[in-house]
Amino acid sequence: GEDVEQSLFLSVREGDSSVINCTYTDSSSTYLYWYKQEPGAGLQLLTYIFSNMDMKQDQRLTVLLNKKDKHLSLRIADTQTGDSAIYFCAERGNSGNTPLVFGKGTRLSVIA
Amino acid sequence: DTGVSQNPRHKITKRGQNVTFRCDPISEHNRLYWYRQTLGQGPEFLTYFQNEAQLEKSRLLSDRFSAERPKGSFSTLEIQRTEQGDSAMYLCASSLAFKSDYGYTFGSGTRLTVV
Repeated sequence: GEDVEQSLFLSVREGDSSVINCTYTDSSSTYLYWYKQEPGAGLQLLTYIFSNMDMKQDQRLTVLLNKKDKHLSLRIADTQTGDSAIYFCAERGNSGNTPLVFGKGTRLSVIA
Repeated sequence: DTGVSQNPRHKITKRGQNVTFRCDPISEHNRLYWYRQTLGQGPEFLTYFQNEAQLEKSRLLSDRFSAERPKGSFSTLEIQRTEQGDSAMYLCASSLAFKSDYGYTFGSGTRLTVV
């Protein structure tokens, strides 16, 4: 079945760039997503990328997709303390009826 | 539009009791999803509805769990004879079926603690 793997922790200094990595197993994945979860809150959709794209940029966020290696990354430029949260990678298979499958999340800590 | 609303935010119950959670999706969204999130884990899919039809159920959804969406608007998730292992955050999300590629909108969740 589908599986999504992420490293559990990342610590960066304020102002540096953060790179959060994700690997997935379902080669038929058509859409991949990054969600952010702050303490005690639900998940907030940050961005998504379609599988025929290599890169997507949205303000401080850059998503890179290597479909051959099934590797997805999220780069946050000029990381701020407000970026401290858990970041989840999620993938969706090749059908619009397939629910999203999430990784375990990467906890990003930003040190002032 | 107030987003996806879940009630209650927190629920503490004794083992063996029944509990029911409610989710109000974004009004024009015809798809509604339930996920469960335990500590240190990502959300795990439980079930989803398109309008009032329950289209898919995960193996995680044991026969103690039942979900309904009777009029295709709000949904309820009931857990009967709760067990300590049911302690988790229960997340609801919604989307438009033809826009579900673009991701779901999640509510803030209901945190269940079974003592």
